[in-house]
Amino acid sequence: DVKVTQSSRYLVKRTGEKVFLECVQDMDHENMFWYRQDPGLGLRLIYFSYDVKMKEKGDIPEGYSVSREKKERFSLILESASTNQTSMYLCASRSVLSSGANVLTFGAGSRLTVL
Amino acid sequence: AQSVTQLDSQVPVFEEAPVELRCNYSSSVSVYLFWYVQYPNQGLQLLLKYLSGSTLVKGINGFEAEFNKSQTSFHLRKPSVHISDTAEYFCAVSDGKAAGNKLTFGGGTRVLVKP
Repeated sequence: DVKVTQSSRYLVKRTGEKVFLECVQDMDHENMFWYRQDPGLGLRLIYFSYDVKMKEKGDIPEGYSVSREKKERFSLILESASTNQTSMYLCASRSVLSSGANVLTFGAGSRLTVL
Repeated sequence: AQSVTQLDSQVPVFEEAPVELRCNYSSSVSVYLFWYVQYPNQGLQLLLKYLSGSTLVKGINGFEAEFNKSQTSFHLRKPSVHISDTAEYFCAVSDGKAAGNKLTFGGGTRVLVKP
């Protein structure tokens, strides 16, 4: 079964800490995404990667950066965590071949609490 | 810019009753529409999609949706729900079929099926 694995399901960090959220997919997908999910707001795109070492800002990139050094791994970085970054973070991947159909495969999510 | 509005944040429904989840969108280009479902403590998975052709789209688990271009709607329906349909449902719109297109999600509708 194909998978998107997010390394941490639950994290608690303090304001100002640097936070790494890791995502690994085993499907050889070119596209990878980071979303944050908040009640009533649905999913909002933070960053998108077309392929290795390529990235594009989404709708809410402020306060975040990303890294994609290998095809299977897409990391989300909070340089200095703030309380308004408390949220559920979802990683997803997609094959270029199915990009029109937009069949994204999602990880189970990482719930981050910033104190 | 495209946007998606899900008119109901929560929908309680009794088992074996019908359910309709409303979704309206706005976009300046041709749209491709999707419904994703998120079961408790899981990531999202694709329920159904409209890319072209018949405006009535059938998905998994007995769900269907109808694309109405004049009303810019893509409502999701199921004639008889089960307890296992308790989940959050997200409507989404894509800005095209080209590689690199991105999804915009609505705020989600939480369905609670009661026995």
